[in-house]
Amino acid sequence: DSGVTQTPKHLITATGQRVTLRCSPRSGDLSVYWYQQSLDQGLQFLIQYYNGEERAKGNILERFSAQQFPDLHSELNLSSLELGDSALYFCASSVGRDPSYGYTFGSGTRLTVV
Amino acid sequence: GNSVTQMEGPVTLSEEAFLTINCTYTATGYPSLFWYVQYPGEGLQLLLKATKADDKGSNKGFEATYRKETTSFHLEKGSVQVSDSAVYFCALSRWLYAGGTSYGKLTFGQGTILTVHP
Repeated sequence: DSGVTQTPKHLITATGQRVTLRCSPRSGDLSVYWYQQSLDQGLQFLIQYYNGEERAKGNILERFSAQQFPDLHSELNLSSLELGDSALYFCASSVGRDPSYGYTFGSGTRLTVV
Repeated sequence: GNSVTQMEGPVTLSEEAFLTINCTYTATGYPSLFWYVQYPGEGLQLLLKATKADDKGSNKGFEATYRKETTSFHLEKGSVQVSDSAVYFCALSRWLYAGGTSYGKLTFGQGTILTVHP
């Protein structure tokens, strides 16, 4: 157990639907990162939060949004889902904003859009 | 921009063989370099890291040396085991500045699948 908790582990939904993925960071970590892993695109950075504030955006679609709450957990919202959104979504956390300490990853949410 | 290029896989080895997975990077300044490992059905785990030139990161028999002159961070292990079968990701981190805000960014390579047979 890495200390980063992601729920649900698996999600199957239909095209056009909306889903919410949840992440609880490791205790004491203030930064949360979301990544998408697909077979053809590899590991893509989506968005980053530090202590409730958005710090950086990567290749995140406009149909996707995220936030980090005061208790530091984070949610990634995916709407108007398309078949191509099927992927593993990982959350990671770190103590501060310095990436040189490395990130701790959760075990991911596998999203299947049918 | 910053990028990481890993040798294409998959890599298939017999147990006790020598492993090398090549990784080269493009970045300005002095990034920190990492190897992460992803076992089947799990998230990524930090395997080792190096934060400055000529540093050697090591863990669980794996080693990698930060070579600034060749912009490389190749992963090596002298004798692999079946339990080392996983996907290995090389990554670099940099501080970036945008819109008056600074933030750290971790950029991953595409991953290399390693399969070790008994």
